[in-house]
Amino acid sequence: DSGVTQTPKHLITATGQRVTLRCSPRSGDLSVYWYQQSLDQGLQFLIQYYNGEERAKGNILERFSAQQFPDLHSELNLSSLELGDSALYFCASSVGSVNQPQHFGDGTRLSIL
Amino acid sequence: GQQVMQIPQYQHVQEGEDFTTYCNSSTTLSNIQWYKQRPGGHPVFLIQLVKSGEVKKQKRLTFQFGEAKKNSSLHITATQTTDVGTYFCAGPGVTGGGNKLTFGTGTQLKVEL
Repeated sequence: DSGVTQTPKHLITATGQRVTLRCSPRSGDLSVYWYQQSLDQGLQFLIQYYNGEERAKGNILERFSAQQFPDLHSELNLSSLELGDSALYFCASSVGSVNQPQHFGDGTRLSIL
Repeated sequence: GQQVMQIPQYQHVQEGEDFTTYCNSSTTLSNIQWYKQRPGGHPVFLIQLVKSGEVKKQKRLTFQFGEAKKNSSLHITATQTTDVGTYFCAGPGVTGGGNKLTFGTGTQLKVEL
C-alpha cells in the first residue's frame, strides 16, 4: 500500500462529457503529480502541484485542468472528453521536489464510449 | 524537450537468465530513479542514484549511473517469475525541465519457466 488513494478506480462515460478524478496524497507529502498512461504506453506527465500551487506543467490538454486543495488532496478535471482520452490516470505524491521518490496510487481507468 | 529512451522495449527470458535494460537521456540528469510496474499495477519506486558512476545493489538487482550522468542501467541476475513487469527509469533535467520528472519509454520483461 503506497498510501496514495485515488477514486474512482474505474470510470465509464461518453464523448463530450466531463469527469473529475480525485487523489489523496500520502501523509506528509506536499507534492502531487498527475500522469496519463495509455495502453502499452509510458507515463506521460500532466501536471504537478506543491502545497496548493501549480509547480510544473507537462503535456496537459487545455480541456484538462487540476487543482490542489488546502488539505492537499487534488482533483483532475477532464472535459469535452474524446475517445483518445481513454487511459489510465495515475496520481503520485512526494515529500517535495521531483528529486525525491514518487509514490503512486492505483490509478483511475477511464473508458470513453 | 528532454527525452529519455530505454532499450530494449521488450525482453523475453527463461527463468534463471540475466536481464539488462539501458536508459539514455538527451540531457544531463541530476539523479536517476527506477520504478517497476507489475502487470495491472502501478509504478513502484525501486531506487535513486545521484552520483556520477554510482552503483547500487538490491539483492539480484544492480543499478548503475553513467559517468556523464546521461545514462543508466538495471541488471537483474538469475531472473525469477516475480521479476515480471515493466521497468522505467526517470530523471529530472538539470536545466529547463528541472522541475519535471521525465519517465523513460520502459522495458517490459517477461519471464518464462
